[in-house]
Amino acid sequence: DVKVTQSSRYLVKRTGEKVFLECVQDMDHENMFWYRQDPGLGLRLIYFSYDVKMKEKGDIPEGYSVSREKKERFSLILESASTNQTSMYLCASSLPRQGIHEQYFGPGTRLTVT
Amino acid sequence: GQNIDQPTEMTATEGAIVQINCTYQTSGFNGLFWYQQHAGEAPTFLSYNVLDGLEEKGRFSSFLSRSKGYSYLLLKELQMKDSASYLCAVRDSSPFEGGYNKLIFGAGTRLAVHP
Repeated sequence: DVKVTQSSRYLVKRTGEKVFLECVQDMDHENMFWYRQDPGLGLRLIYFSYDVKMKEKGDIPEGYSVSREKKERFSLILESASTNQTSMYLCASSLPRQGIHEQYFGPGTRLTVT
Repeated sequence: GQNIDQPTEMTATEGAIVQINCTYQTSGFNGLFWYQQHAGEAPTFLSYNVLDGLEEKGRFSSFLSRSKGYSYLLLKELQMKDSASYLCAVRDSSPFEGGYNKLIFGAGTRLAVHP
């Protein structure tokens, strides 16, 4: 079974802090994703990585950056956390091929910025 | 623009059948996914449609009509454990660098199954 793990289930940070969210997958997947999930808005893609050190901006990259130094690990960084970044953050991974190769999600990190 | 619509909430009775609809308007189409997400947990894959018609998988079936921009997820013999959110997602046809097409998610339908 594919396993995607995230470093924290719950996190509380103060405005202006630098925040690191870590994601690790154990199935040697090339693709990794960071989403945020907000009520009424669904999952929105923040960043996507298709290989080590490669990244693409998603729909809402502002205020975020990412790092992928190893294939299994994809980090999301909030350079200076703001209250509007309070959200559920979900990491996912997938094989690079199209078709039915669905994304596998981690359990999520609920981040509260006060 | 990209738009995926699903009902916000639905309720149903244990043992019954429920149909969750999804309509989409996207700039391209390269497949449609349904995911299930229990409260506080990760979304998990349920089904995938890329051609018109019905795909059946045990108690769950998913239907697609590309000409109508419409899909539904059909859940039969409902059980209490089916209480969850159901997410419809369309794969865009414009690939990222590296050839991967992103998924566009609807807001999800929260299904409550009661005895």
